[in-house]
Amino acid sequence: DAGVTQSPTHLIKTRGQHVTLRCSPISGHKSVSWYQQVLGQGPQFIFQYYEKEERGRGNFPDRFSARQFPNYSSELNVNALLLGDSALYLCASSPVGDEQYFGPGTRLTVT
Amino acid sequence: GESVGLHLPTLSVQEGDNSIINCAYSNSASDYFIWYKQESGKGPQFIIDIRSNMDKRQGQRVTVLLNKTVKHLSLQIAATQPGDSAVYFCAENLPGGSNSGYALNFGKGTSLLVTP
Repeated sequence: DAGVTQSPTHLIKTRGQHVTLRCSPISGHKSVSWYQQVLGQGPQFIFQYYEKEERGRGNFPDRFSARQFPNYSSELNVNALLLGDSALYLCASSPVGDEQYFGPGTRLTVT
Repeated sequence: GESVGLHLPTLSVQEGDNSIINCAYSNSASDYFIWYKQESGKGPQFIIDIRSNMDKRQGQRVTVLLNKTVKHLSLQIAATQPGDSAVYFCAENLPGGSNSGYALNFGKGTSLLVTP
């Protein structure tokens, strides 16, 4: 079975731009979560979606938003990019939310 | 706020030895814990989990121990191999209500280096 897939793998943007990251969960998983991992640190929780509804939100500004589609895939959007948004963005899927399996991540560089 | 932390940032072991990675958590309401392994350039890989109603759980070459009294979690890796070299994270579930409202709180990680 395919694991969690994310696209793109790498992305370079300039300050002020907008970015959309995509995630496809493991087949049969209905929950998708997003995490930000800054170099040298553990992942930080951004959002969790379950059955297309937001179930949790971490301590991130409103520039960050997400949504989940009927096929359970998900998008993470970040507006007005800042240098500090440079990080590895991880998507995790889960059958119901607890046992989370991570994708390879999208490396975002903001210049 | 409360957080999950690790006692040792780096751990170097010889191939074939057993490894023990420790983690302290401070949220007494946490009811679910996971250990992840992350290799360079990859996403975290699920290793083993444990719920708060257990104090020990074993997998293939790995054992997780949970001591709720002192809020301590450990990961034991038997017969450590070079392929075990990676950063290991413990994560706790942030209690939030419904069973669909899970958010994991990660520690900073421990780098495990296995030498031949």
